Amino acid sequence: AQSVTQLGSHVSVSEGALVLLRCNYSSSVPPYLFWYVQYPNQGLQLLLKYTSAATLVKGINGFEAEFKKSETSFHLTKPSAHMSDAAEYFCAVSPRAGGTSYGKLTFGQGTILTVHP
Amino acid sequence: DAGITQSPRYKITETGRQVTLMCHQTWSHSYMFWYRQDLGHGLRLIYYSAAADITDKGEVPDGYVVSRSKTENFPLTLESATRSQTSVYFCASRKQGMKYEQYFGPGTRLTVT
Repeated sequence: AQSVTQLGSHVSVSEGALVLLRCNYSSSVPPYLFWYVQYPNQGLQLLLKYTSAATLVKGINGFEAEFKKSETSFHLTKPSAHMSDAAEYFCAVSPRAGGTSYGKLTFGQGTILTVHP
Repeated sequence: DAGITQSPRYKITETGRQVTLMCHQTWSHSYMFWYRQDLGHGLRLIYYSAAADITDKGEVPDGYVVSRSKTENFPLTLESATRSQTSVYFCASRKQGMKYEQYFGPGTRLTVT
């Protein structure tokens, strides 16, 4: 069974500082990996996804994530935080193969990012 | 392109009442999903559907019923609402193919009193 762990339920950074949100997965086969963002009172929006051989994935709003198989990680980064980045971020995994999973997403618990002026 | 919509956006109901949350998508995506979001639990899958007339249970299906007679609609019914079902409910859809992402609706905030 797949699982996702997001380290740190809350992360606080200053505007202009590096953003690093951690995600580790547990799966017998490297899965597809996704990062979603949720702004207050809104649904989830896809930031980026890893589905191919390119291990460094660039997404929207200047975010990127690197898939590291040896570390079973898919950490999300942004070089310089902006006030508008304040939101909750979810890492999610989906199996590559079929079977009974039907491509279901398994979500991490979420990390709330706060950006201080 | 309307995408994926949910109605109502907010609902207050009493314990024991039946409530139906609607989900509609305009992309003709094969897969549709219902999640609930609760503090400390993230998103948990309630039910999903691979196509019209094909549905299956997710992680937390008890107390919920779904149907999918048309590809574009996936209603979620709480047959007898309980306070523990107070939550924010999200519908999502996805194209056929494991590598494709899910697209989420705006959510329905349900309060059971």
